[in-house]
Amino acid sequence: SQQGEEDPQALSIQEGENATMNCSYKTSINNLQWYRQNSGRGLVHLILIRSNEREKHSGRLRVTLDTSKKSSSLLITASRAADTASYFCATALFGGYNKLIFGAGTRLAVHP
Amino acid sequence: GAVVSQHPSWVICKSGTSVKIECRSLDFQATTMFWYRQFPKQSLMLMATSNEGSKATYEQGVEKDKFLINHASLTLSTLTVTSAHPEDSSFYICSAPRQSSYEQYFGPGTRLTVT
Repeated sequence: SQQGEEDPQALSIQEGENATMNCSYKTSINNLQWYRQNSGRGLVHLILIRSNEREKHSGRLRVTLDTSKKSSSLLITASRAADTASYFCATALFGGYNKLIFGAGTRLAVHP
Repeated sequence: GAVVSQHPSWVICKSGTSVKIECRSLDFQATTMFWYRQFPKQSLMLMATSNEGSKATYEQGVEKDKFLINHASLTLSTLTVTSAHPEDSSFYICSAPRQSSYEQYFGPGTRLTVT
């Protein structure tokens, strides 16, 4: 089952621009994670934000979490063509022994 | 480098046959592994949780007799798609939790095509 929706479903931008992706979920969570998937490949972990955190940074990535709205956003600043990929949020529930439920994903295309 | 491997990376089989996919954790032990399937341009759907030394836990709607999971060692889980049909064609991905963390390491995936 999927936890929620992501928007936009697809995003096309120019190199250097910022990309913002949003994720909503339905149940209470322990943490929320963002993963990246290049076409036809496995997933790579990007960043984790705990339910008691509101914002987190990692390099060009900025993640926010609003537990009252059950939503999160991922911002990629100064995008590069190499950022072209699908991005998924995934929620980890309390007592879920690491089980992750994925959102629908956003397909990002960054044009040179 | 990759910490979770999958084999094969792709497989084509005929309808009615069975296919086994292996998921290995490299250089770390995984008492739990997860199996997902992904259709083109869609998200990952959790199929089951593989538990070392005990039965797998299947998500609602996943046929346990069709998708057999065996977690025989602390570094290997296998998914066998039995009596495969064209609708089983998909991208199958496994993952294992990083020790003392909520993060997951994902395998590179196995593309199954049933003809």
